[in-house]
Amino acid sequence: QTVVTQEPSLTVSPGGTVTLTCASSTGAVTSGHYPNWFLQKPGQVPRALIYSTSNKHSWTPARFSGSLLGGKAALTLSDVQPEDEAEYYCLLYYGGAWVFGGGTKLTVL
Amino acid sequence: QVQLVESGGGVVQPGGSLRLSCAASGVTFSGYGMHWVRQAPDKGLEWVAFIRYDGSNKYYADSVKGRFTISRDNSRNTLYLQMNSLRAEDTAVYYCAKDLLVLVPAAMWGQGTLVTVSS
Repeated sequence: QTVVTQEPSLTVSPGGTVTLTCASSTGAVTSGHYPNWFLQKPGQVPRALIYSTSNKHSWTPARFSGSLLGGKAALTLSDVQPEDEAEYYCLLYYGGAWVFGGGTKLTVL
Repeated sequence: QVQLVESGGGVVQPGGSLRLSCAASGVTFSGYGMHWVRQAPDKGLEWVAFIRYDGSNKYYADSVKGRFTISRDNSRNTLYLQMNSLRAEDTAVYYCAKDLLVLVPAAMWGQGTLVTVSS
């Protein structure tokens, strides 16, 4: 059973920078896991942010960026805005199947 | 404008069956892979199943393998999820989601349909 692990919660100040990470129980996360990032606000449908490690969707704000960092996938938010407060999920590819991480609750205060 | 609309949710007893549908509009449905993703009450997202654009390949989460079947009818622009042997832990909002490209999953989501498994 593959497990994808994210920080349960993080807190950041408005205007600050924060990095969320996504680890795989099978070993280092690579570009072959095609890391994706999604955000979900309470009561809303999830929204895709980043695909294939670092590619932004056309609707993704420039302050969001994706990378690989120390064997994990990473999502960095720069110049954090109050509206960035949400749950963030990573999604990794395992040769046909996909697995979501448990999510990171990001608090902005 | 692309729209995905799920239907078929409801209350079902443990051991029962249910079939979910996802109707797509505003898009060439037959050109895209499709996913089902679920979210139990106050829990995180769980990927459930994927089907290729032409139905030739299907993949499932271990938690539903052997009980759920994903299928599609490209002539009707509709995705399905047949759920059998339902358990209380299958209670969730079920979303369908459309790929943007191959290996670019779930770029667009429906609003979801609630499935409750309870006696």
